Amino acid sequence: GAVVSQHPSRVICKSGTSVKIECRSLDFQATTMFWYRQFPKQSLMLMATSNEGSKATYEQGVEKDKFLINHASLTLSTLTVTSAHPEDSSFYICSARDRQGSREAEAFFGQGTRLTVV
Amino acid sequence: AQKVTQAQTEISVVEKEDVTLDCVYETRDTTYYLFWYKQPPSGELVFLIRRNSFDEQNEISGRYSWNFQKSTSSFNFTITASQVVDSAVYFCALHKRGGADGLTFGKGTHLIIQP
Repeated sequence: GAVVSQHPSRVICKSGTSVKIECRSLDFQATTMFWYRQFPKQSLMLMATSNEGSKATYEQGVEKDKFLINHASLTLSTLTVTSAHPEDSSFYICSARDRQGSREAEAFFGQGTRLTVV
Repeated sequence: AQKVTQAQTEISVVEKEDVTLDCVYETRDTTYYLFWYKQPPSGELVFLIRRNSFDEQNEISGRYSWNFQKSTSSFNFTITASQVVDSAVYFCALHKRGGADGLTFGKGTHLIIQP
């Protein structure tokens, strides 16, 4: 299956600092990547959809200035949590989509990043 | 709008029992995909199955089986002879085929297998 790698797996940062999370598709070109957030004991909620070379589309209620998404290449998307606060502490996970043939790469996710803001 | 309902928040069974996790979905799309994922305590999402809305055949993979009933908009997941390693949160998800949106997830069912 499609391999998606996410880094880092765990990060602790101080309140007010920014954190960058990377999502890479290792064996395919991802025209679209998705970012999800999961609070403890809750479901995964789609935050935004990023398309290579264009601006990300954010879901309602997600602050685009706080969660900066860059999808500069077909294999890499980054999520930057700017001026992080304790309420941003969450599990962030990405998935990537491959439009080649019948592969539905959005079925495969990165390992996730557990962000703790102290 | 799409919606996935997993009514069972938590299920606890003794090892070797069979257990079924329910999933009911709502969509106006005629073509879509349904998924099941396993999320162990480490957090990663483990892909279990993807089912096309055109394919209503039930599927079996080892101890796992899935029952897709389009007439009742359900996609239930059964684990036979459960094991402690099956303990995890299981998510059912829905995606519009060919759509640009991400997956719509249910709230998950926390499955506890007691030794």
